[in-house]
Amino acid sequence: EPEVTQTPSHQVTQMGQEVILRCVPISNHLYFYWYRQILGQKVEFLVSFYNNEISEKSEIFDDQFSVERPDGSNFTLKIRSTKLEDSAMYFCASGRTGAGETQYFGPGTRLLVL
Amino acid sequence: AQSVTQLGSHVSVSEGALVLLRCNYSSSVPPYLFWYVQYPNQGLQLLLKYTSAATLVKGINGFEAEFKKSETSFHLTKPSAHMSDAAEYFCAVSLLGSARQLTFGSGTQLTVLP
Repeated sequence: EPEVTQTPSHQVTQMGQEVILRCVPISNHLYFYWYRQILGQKVEFLVSFYNNEISEKSEIFDDQFSVERPDGSNFTLKIRSTKLEDSAMYFCASGRTGAGETQYFGPGTRLLVL
Repeated sequence: AQSVTQLGSHVSVSEGALVLLRCNYSSSVPPYLFWYVQYPNQGLQLLLKYTSAATLVKGINGFEAEFKKSETSFHLTKPSAHMSDAAEYFCAVSLLGSARQLTFGSGTQLTVLP
């Protein structure tokens, strides 16, 4: 069964460094998402992406964040200058269509900013 | 704006006992409702979803949930708990129209006692 994959599974970085989190969505899906879960807190929506552009973003998704679909398979989240509070589990998800459709989640990337 | 409240951050049941995990939502328009499960060190897996068809929704692993508009609830139940059901369970809502993002509850950690 097709699944969403994410790399790396864990990443440790120094504050102020740039990180790129990678995701390979399910191949026939059109909608792509990033969520994050700070330890002990809710899963929070960051951004959705459709037709090569951002369709929605939350207030968390400020100028230090960006997303890209550099080719036909990868979907990346870049954090330009990491802060301590960016430490979290980051989940990628994809869906065939939009509202009401199941979003399929990857296993997550645990980011630790020191 | 939509929101989800999960009552009880931790629930313990004995193996073979009824599982009841509570979820209440707030939404100004008819919602789509989801239950996801997260096993340790894994991503979020869809258990079931409500998308305005039957109000009683059956999902995987013997779980079901009933949408009650009058109570704005979508509680998750399973008649008989198994040890393998131990995990964290998240209720989530998304809305009709352009808002495809999922808004998650804070999660309920289910422990199954032998």
